[in-house]
Amino acid sequence: DGGITQSPKYLFRKEGQNVTLSCEQNLNHDAMYWYRQDPGQGLRLIYYSQIVNDFQKGDIAEGYSVSREKKESFPLTVTSAQKNPTAFYLCASSIQGVPNTEAFFGQGTRLTVV
Amino acid sequence: AQSVTQPDIHITVSEGASLELRCNYSYGATPYLFWYVQSPGQGLQLLLKYFSGDTLVQGIKGFEAEFKRSQSSFNLRKPSVHWSDAAEYFCAVGAGGTSYGKLTFGQGTILTVHP
Repeated sequence: DGGITQSPKYLFRKEGQNVTLSCEQNLNHDAMYWYRQDPGQGLRLIYYSQIVNDFQKGDIAEGYSVSREKKESFPLTVTSAQKNPTAFYLCASSIQGVPNTEAFFGQGTRLTVV
Repeated sequence: AQSVTQPDIHITVSEGASLELRCNYSYGATPYLFWYVQSPGQGLQLLLKYFSGDTLVQGIKGFEAEFKRSQSSFNLRKPSVHWSDAAEYFCAVGAGGTSYGKLTFGQGTILTVHP
């Protein structure tokens, strides 16, 4: 079945450590996105990529980094510079160049700083 | 800048009652509008979307939404709620162009269903 796989589902990090969240899709979508979800704040866009080897900052990119070396993969690194990293992280993908379509979401990774 | 407001943080309804979840958006051009649903600890599932044309949009699970340009609203409705509809609902507006996943979300509305 086609879809988006995020791993791990739960992740614990000590303060001062970097951690990488995985996102893989087999939908053959060109565009991929990372969102952060906090209670009562909806989802906010961290980074997005419309094509391999290219990505753009979203609304809350500070303290995060991404890479897009392969079409199917868009890993997110939460760096020690992110002041409040505890949150639920969602990856999404969408097709490019086809009108009236939508984004598909993964099941999320819950990151907790301990 | 675009924005989305969902005025109701939490709504409680009885099973079988009708439901309306409110969504107001701010966007300079014709918006792309979406409603997503999220069960606890899960990802988002698309309920319905609006791009153009008929302002009454039908979605999955018996949901519908009406786009009202004059009121900048895109309210979600269901005539009879089931216990399985309990979840969090998000309204979102798209940036346009071809990146349909570049979205601005509302704060979400938590729906509780009483038996």
